[in-house]
Amino acid sequence: GAVVSQHPSWVICKSGTSVKIECRSLDFQATTMFWYRQFPKQSLMLMATSNEGSKATYEQGVEKDKFLINHASLTLSTLTVTSAHPEDSSFYICSARRGATDTQYFGPGTRLTVL
Amino acid sequence: GNSVTQMEGPVTLSEEAFLTINCTYTATGYPSLFWYVQYPGEGLQLLLKATKADDKGSNKGFEATYRKETTSFHLEKGSVQVSDSAVYFCALSDQSQAGTALIFGKGTTLSVSS
Repeated sequence: GAVVSQHPSWVICKSGTSVKIECRSLDFQATTMFWYRQFPKQSLMLMATSNEGSKATYEQGVEKDKFLINHASLTLSTLTVTSAHPEDSSFYICSARRGATDTQYFGPGTRLTVL
Repeated sequence: GNSVTQMEGPVTLSEEAFLTINCTYTATGYPSLFWYVQYPGEGLQLLLKATKADDKGSNKGFEATYRKETTSFHLEKGSVQVSDSAVYFCALSDQSQAGTALIFGKGTTLSVSS
């Protein structure tokens, strides 16, 4: 159990377009989901914490108008990168927390390349 | 603020060698400690965890003991295999704050050769 999926697994888009990434908990309900960004050969940096039915909490330095997060249900959170630019190219990873436990289960990540 | 420091990699070992990856942390409250592993081309997987001082987490031959006195959570394995080649991340979560995300170390790349 505790499987988290992401879609798409990779995407290439033109500069100026918007890209939506989905994160789903397949076999459990996740009241809290997290979005991370990982640069090559570096650690994961938390972008935002998403709670079902409420606005996401963004980390300092993350533009909330650029990285739109929606957590509409207990099994789905979406990250939309608006007006993407080449510097937004990165590996985006979501995770979901099951119940009251502090263990997070990670999705496989989405590779975004902006041309 | 809370932070995690891991030893710099890459770590290169021969098969059946002993592995240690050091991890120390700084935290307020009572953090849980984790080791995650990321195999090439895959997402992060939970390897093991410990939720309180002196707890030992173990999985797949890997072990780590929560040492509050030294604020450490070093990862060890007695005999590594080629299939253990991956990036290993140490992380902490502060139990006192509901919804707090994990704080990761920078990751240590392990390469095991036969």
